[in-house]
Amino acid sequence: AQTVTQSQPEMSVQEAETVTLSCTYDTSESNYYLFWYKQPPSRQMILVIRQEAYKQQNATENRFSVNFQKAAKSFSLKISDSQLGDTAMYFCAFMKHGTNAGKSTFGDGTTLTVKP
Amino acid sequence: ETGVTQTPRHLVMGMTNKKSLKCEQHLGHNAMYWYKQSAKKPLELMFVYNFKEQTENNSVPSRFSPECPNSSHLFLHLHTLQPEDSALYLCASSQDPRQGINPPYFGEGSWLTVV
Repeated sequence: AQTVTQSQPEMSVQEAETVTLSCTYDTSESNYYLFWYKQPPSRQMILVIRQEAYKQQNATENRFSVNFQKAAKSFSLKISDSQLGDTAMYFCAFMKHGTNAGKSTFGDGTTLTVKP
Repeated sequence: ETGVTQTPRHLVMGMTNKKSLKCEQHLGHNAMYWYKQSAKKPLELMFVYNFKEQTENNSVPSRFSPECPNSSHLFLHLHTLQPEDSALYLCASSQDPRQGINPPYFGEGSWLTVV
């Protein structure tokens, strides 16, 4: 079974600053995917960024980027130029290749507050 | 995003009531899921449907009854619920997992309060 750990229950950052959310996972699989989801107060889980484990290059989506360290089983999310709209709970998720996406393993989440 | 829509967004029901939650996806996906999200608890997968067939039931009490009439619609029928069932119920969908990276896409959730 896979586990996903987000060690920071809460974080805060000043607007326009950069913040990094940590995520570690444990698996014996070699082929898998990792995701970060954002859940704002509206409660919809929004996919922020995805990473294939076989790709060494870190994924980037506009102000969001990841630092994927496969050997260390670490998958942190960096948010640059933080905006007030980034205030949300962020979930890290693991998905084994070839399985139903719904069976992804989610971390407990990190609540991020962006302060003006 | 409006690819996955859930109704109603808020529902208050008594313990003896019967109600249903509805989910509809417009993404052409063929797998759909129900999750329960409670405060201070991790996201809990309840049911998995692939091509309208239920492939997983994670020991969910029978007072929750899912229905998937087609690949685009998913229902969660509720009856004789308990106060501890109060939570946010999220629906999600995804493409065939055998076709590579296909993360779940979520709806906005249905807030359920059992009184």
